[in-house]
Amino acid sequence: EPEVTQTPSHQVTQMGQEVILRCVPISNHLYFYWYRQILGQKVEFLVSFYNNEISEKSEIFDDQFSVERPDGSNFTLKIRSTKLEDSAMYFCASDGAGGLQPQHFGDGTRLSIL
Amino acid sequence: GENVEQHPSTLSVQEGDSAVIKCTYSDSASNYFPWYKQELGKGPQLIIDIRSNVGEKKDQRIAVTLNKTAKHFSLHITETQPEDSAVYFCAASIYNFNKFYFGSGTKLNVKP
Repeated sequence: EPEVTQTPSHQVTQMGQEVILRCVPISNHLYFYWYRQILGQKVEFLVSFYNNEISEKSEIFDDQFSVERPDGSNFTLKIRSTKLEDSAMYFCASDGAGGLQPQHFGDGTRLSIL
Repeated sequence: GENVEQHPSTLSVQEGDSAVIKCTYSDSASNYFPWYKQELGKGPQLIIDIRSNVGEKKDQRIAVTLNKTAKHFSLHITETQPEDSAVYFCAASIYNFNKFYFGSGTKLNVKP
């Protein structure tokens, strides 16, 4: 079964540095998402992406964050000037129809800001 | 925006018993409700979903019910097994708005 793959599985970064989290969505999917899960808390929506542009974003997704689909397979989340509170699991997801079909999640990247 | 509440936060059952997890949502425009199972170190995996034009859906030992009037939906797991132990999340979304709202999760522990 096709999978969403995320790299790296764990990223450790110094506060203030920039970090890029990478995802390869399922190949025939059209909608891509990033979520965040702070340890022990609920999964929080960050952003959705369709047709090479952001379609929805949450209040969390401010100017510190950006997303990009640099080629036909990768989907990236960039976090600039990282803060301690950015430490969390970041999940990428994709689906074929946006909002009315199951989303497939990757296994996440654990981001630790020191 | 949408607010999804989930209860209980932890649930412990004996193997073979049933488990029920309940969620409520606030936005009556929400019309798609997936349930996810998250095992340690893994991403959420879809186990069952329901759309607003259906009141109940079943897949082997798992069923989901939806009450649109009351704005709540529930996950039912029958004949629980130790491998059902995980964290379960409900979610809600509005079709054509590519945004999912998750509940806070239920940690299910099935004791052998």
